[in-house]
Amino acid sequence: DTAVSQTPKYLVTQMGNDKSIKCEQNLGHDTMYWYKQDSKKFLKIMFSYNNKELIINETVPNRFSPKSPDKAHLNLHINSLELGDSAVYFCASSQGLTGVATNEKLFFGSGTQLSVL
Amino acid sequence: AQSVTQLGSHVSVSEGALVLLRCNYSSSVPPYLFWYVQYPNQGLQLLLKYTSAATLVKGINGFEAEFKKSETSFHLTKPSAHMSDAAEYFCAVSTNAGGTSYGKLTFGQGTILTVHP
Repeated sequence: DTAVSQTPKYLVTQMGNDKSIKCEQNLGHDTMYWYKQDSKKFLKIMFSYNNKELIINETVPNRFSPKSPDKAHLNLHINSLELGDSAVYFCASSQGLTGVATNEKLFFGSGTQLSVL
Repeated sequence: AQSVTQLGSHVSVSEGALVLLRCNYSSSVPPYLFWYVQYPNQGLQLLLKYTSAATLVKGINGFEAEFKKSETSFHLTKPSAHMSDAAEYFCAVSTNAGGTSYGKLTFGQGTILTVHP
């Protein structure tokens, strides 16, 4: 079974549309993340949820809204898509809260390639 | 603020040769450093992690990295390349700043490793 799964793998859509990317983890982790990989390959964190509570909200347009119905799911909804939203979006999860001296590590999904035409 | 620079977007080696992937970081506080690997059509996987313990860190698949504070570097090495090592490698930095730093890994741009027979 895939630990962190994202759907769809590829998403091609027109400007102005609204789309969602779904993410599910079956690891029993408490924390989930959305990262955006831009055309220059930089991975940047967008959001993080811990036990369904938003804990990281980087400077992203309000058109991006994460939704966590339960701690195993973190979906990303994007309104009024723009050309600049084209990128690969990665979902990730960790048992606890990474970034400190713990043994936690991030488990990544395989990415969703979004192309806005 | 923190940042990561990976020198060389593409590295090509022969099978059996030394692998050296360069990573330099910038951080205002003691960093935690990571190497992730991404195989085709898969998510990122953690190779190894430095969290202020031993400066020489051993990871999976024979990879290791050495933290050198004086050089602000965390280069990834493997004595003998194998065909299965062909992938894209990402260096990342995080800080123990507490608060909302959790999960805020800052990634480099990635280095594609090609291994020739």
